[in-house]
Amino acid sequence: EAGVTQFPSHSVIEKGQTVTLRCDPISGHDNLYWYRRVMGKEIKFLLHFVKESKQDESGMPNNRFLAERTGGTYSTLKVQPAELEDSGVYFCASTGTGGGEQYFGPGTRLTVT
Amino acid sequence: GEDVEQSLFLSVREGDSSVINCTYTDSSSTYLYWYKQEPGAGLQLLTYIFSNMDMKQDQRLTVLLNKKDKHLSLRIADTQTGDSAIYFCAEKDNMDSWGKLQFGAGTQVVVTP
Repeated sequence: EAGVTQFPSHSVIEKGQTVTLRCDPISGHDNLYWYRRVMGKEIKFLLHFVKESKQDESGMPNNRFLAERTGGTYSTLKVQPAELEDSGVYFCASTGTGGGEQYFGPGTRLTVT
Repeated sequence: GEDVEQSLFLSVREGDSSVINCTYTDSSSTYLYWYKQEPGAGLQLLTYIFSNMDMKQDQRLTVLLNKKDKHLSLRIADTQTGDSAIYFCAEKDNMDSWGKLQFGAGTQVVVTP
């Protein structure tokens, strides 16, 4: 069974540009989470989807970030326009209907210059 | 400020024991986790402990929990070079089984020959 996958693995963009990150959860997992780790700091929660609905988006930093999960399968996280402080590693995780262990993807390293 | 705190770096000789420490502040946390991140990989769940336990052992890993001091530790016996990684402590409120994890900043463990 494939694990959580994320694309791209690394993105370098200039300040003011737009970037879209993608996460494919484990097949059949209704719960999908986005987290972010800014350089050297703690991994912070961004938001949680249950199927296509946003269950908790309390960690989204501001309205430059837009997460979607149309159809309840893969999810995208768009940053528009990107700022320098958005640089970091963005992780995606998923769990099944019963909750439990969150399975993490390898992350997308975003560098904003 | 951080709800979960960890020391940032640990150097250990191959064959010795490693002890990674973590403190947390949320008294309602009932699941506490240790994740491992190897270079270029996602977060891998190593072990977890429920808050009504004091200790959990799993092969070379021993987790100790001091609820009074809100202190969690991970001991790795007979540390190997493959144990070099970043180790994250995380907590979750049991009342929210599908909810977000709160992580520390991670401890970089370097194993030297």
